[in-house]
Amino acid sequence: GNSVTQMEGPVTLSEEAFLTINCTYTATGYPSLFWYVQYPGEGLQLLLKATKADDKGSNKGFEATYRKETTSFHLEKGSVQVSDSAVYFCALTQTGANNLFFGTGTRLTVIP
Amino acid sequence: DSGVTQTPKHLITATGQRVTLRCSPRSGDLSVYWYQQSLDQGLQFLIQYYNGEERAKGNILERFSAQQFPDLHSELNLSSLELGDSALYFCASSPRIAGITDTQYFGPGTRLTVL
Repeated sequence: GNSVTQMEGPVTLSEEAFLTINCTYTATGYPSLFWYVQYPGEGLQLLLKATKADDKGSNKGFEATYRKETTSFHLEKGSVQVSDSAVYFCALTQTGANNLFFGTGTRLTVIP
Repeated sequence: DSGVTQTPKHLITATGQRVTLRCSPRSGDLSVYWYQQSLDQGLQFLIQYYNGEERAKGNILERFSAQQFPDLHSELNLSSLELGDSALYFCASSPRIAGITDTQYFGPGTRLTVL
């Protein structure tokens, strides 16, 4: 079946620190991979996505590379800001379908 | 603003009751998805509709049902409510039925509290 495992939180970082949130997946076929972000009191927003192996998704300084050999899609950012404080969800869609399977979410808090 | 609207924003009701949550997709989007976010289960896919027809089902209880109307808005009906149904219910929309590159746009959610 499909599943997404992501790094347990919460994660607390100082401003300008380097961020990595690990995400690994299990899926049949060739899934598409996503990172969604949920700011306090809001719905989910797509942060970035990758639809095939070795693709790199990037947005707002965040990056993630679709690694088929390690079934991973780790989220990275070189220098976090206080405004990046949110919950981050790794997710996948199975080939031929569009419903998302989500990880448990990782809460990030960035302190000044 | 994603363009997806959900009403109501908050709903408080009692066990055994029935409620209806409403979702209007982005203009032009034909697919609507419902998700439940709860503390113990995380974010789970419930059901998908495309242009009025059910297309995919996830972990949706038999007490729950949904439909999509000709104007493409969707309603999620939750009946015989239990305490454990308290959660945030999100609606999302996308242009097509199963385009793997389609982005899903999420609404702000309806927070349901069952007392």
